[in-house]
Amino acid sequence: QLRLQESGPGLVKTSETLSLTCTVSGDSITVRTFYWGWIRQAPGKGLEWIGSIYYTGDAEYYPSVEGRATISIDTSKNEFSLKVNSVTASDTAVYYCARHDGAFSALDHWGQGTLVTVSS
Amino acid sequence: QSALTQPASVSGSPGQSITISCTGTRSDVGGYDLVSWYQHHPGKAPRLIIYQVSNRPSGVSDRFSGSKSGNTASLTISGLQAEDEADYYCGSYTTKTKLDVFGTGTMVTVL
Repeated sequence: QLRLQESGPGLVKTSETLSLTCTVSGDSITVRTFYWGWIRQAPGKGLEWIGSIYYTGDAEYYPSVEGRATISIDTSKNEFSLKVNSVTASDTAVYYCARHDGAFSALDHWGQGTLVTVSS
Repeated sequence: QSALTQPASVSGSPGQSITISCTGTRSDVGGYDLVSWYQHHPGKAPRLIIYQVSNRPSGVSDRFSGSKSGNTASLTISGLQAEDEADYYCGSYTTKTKLDVFGTGTMVTVL
C-alpha cells in the first residue's frame, strides 16, 4: 500500500527557509505515470497547489510561489522535498505531499499533512 | 491562481441527495474530461473520490457520483450520511498553467 509521510520543522522564522521532505513507501518514486506534488492549506483557506516534480527532476511551480519555492527529488531515498525561502506569515499552512496521476490529472494518494507556522 | 468556483456551503438532511457545482472555463473544466473531486475531513488527509469527471476509485461508495455539462462539473452525494460532513474540492487540468487547479471548496453540512 502506498504511503506518503511529510517531515520537517513545525516552526520557521520569518524571512528564513521552510524545508519539508516527503518519504514515499510502498512503491517506487520512479514509476513513469506519476508526478509528486506539494499542496498547502492556510488556516481558513482552501487547497492551493505549490508545485510538482517528475522522477527525472523536472519541476513545475504555481505562480503564487514561483521564484521562492524549489522542489527536488532523491530517487535513491524514494523521497522528494520542498524548500520555500523568504517565508512570511502568509506561508503558515498545513503542507501536504501527494502523488499526482498525470494520465487522470488526479491526486490519488496524500500524506497526512504537517502544520508549518511562520513566526518571528 | 484562478480557482474554480464552488458554492461555499451546501447542506442536507440524512438520506437526501445534494449536488455541488464546480464552474470553470473552456481552458479547464469545459475543455477536458479531467475533473476530480476530493473529500477533506479537517485534520485528515484529503481523499480522492472522483476522477475523470465520473470515475470512482476503488473503495469509494457509489453514493458519490460525478458529471459535467459545459464548463460546470458536479458532484452528487446520494443518501446523505453524517460521515459525509466534510469539505469538498474539485480539481481540473488546465491549460493556463502546467499544474492542475483546485476549486474554492464547499463545506457540506448534514442537518
